[in-house]
Amino acid sequence: AQSVSQHNHHVILSEAASLELGCNYSYGGTVNLFWYVQYPGQHLQLLLKYFSGDPLVKGIKGFEAEFIKSKFSFNLRKPSVQWSDTAEYFCAVNTGGFKTIFGAGTRLFVKA
Amino acid sequence: NAGVMQNPRHLVRRRGQEARLRCSPMKGHSHVYWYRQLPEEGLKFMVYLQKENIIDESGMPKERFSAEFPKEGPSILRIQQVVRGDSAAYFCASSPQVEEGEKLFFGSGTQLSVL
Repeated sequence: AQSVSQHNHHVILSEAASLELGCNYSYGGTVNLFWYVQYPGQHLQLLLKYFSGDPLVKGIKGFEAEFIKSKFSFNLRKPSVQWSDTAEYFCAVNTGGFKTIFGAGTRLFVKA
Repeated sequence: NAGVMQNPRHLVRRRGQEARLRCSPMKGHSHVYWYRQLPEEGLKFMVYLQKENIIDESGMPKERFSAEFPKEGPSILRIQQVVRGDSAAYFCASSPQVEEGEKLFFGSGTQLSVL
């Protein structure tokens, strides 16, 4: 069965530090990949997505993610985090059709 | 254009009672998904519905859980005879159509607490 693995459940960083959140999935075929973010007290919203083409995807608020097919990975990065990036981040995979599978989430806390 | 609306935001039930969770999709969206979030486990797919049809309920427990999306009105996730293990955040999402990898629009969730 398809699955999504996020390496870190909790990450604590100081402002201006660089961020990389790991995401690996298990599925051998074509995938569509997403990162969603949930800010405190708010609903999940799309941060960025990869369907095809350039494996380096740029999203909102300075986030980007790189799809490495050979590693089944889709890691999220940001060069310099801000306090307002404190949130929970979910990696998700869609292997076709309606079912999107989510990882367990990573809670990021950015110290001001 | 209102987003996906879920109510109530918080629901407290005693063991054995029924819980009803409501979800109104975004205007123009005819596809509804329910997910359950347990601590440290991420979002687990439960059920996918279109108007008046359950398309896939493979993630939903076979007993006590049911879902509907009537022609008129919100989608309802119903949990009968709740147990403590049902305590979780339940999220609803909607999409306008089903294309491969369609983006989901989420509601704010309902936090169910079973005493």
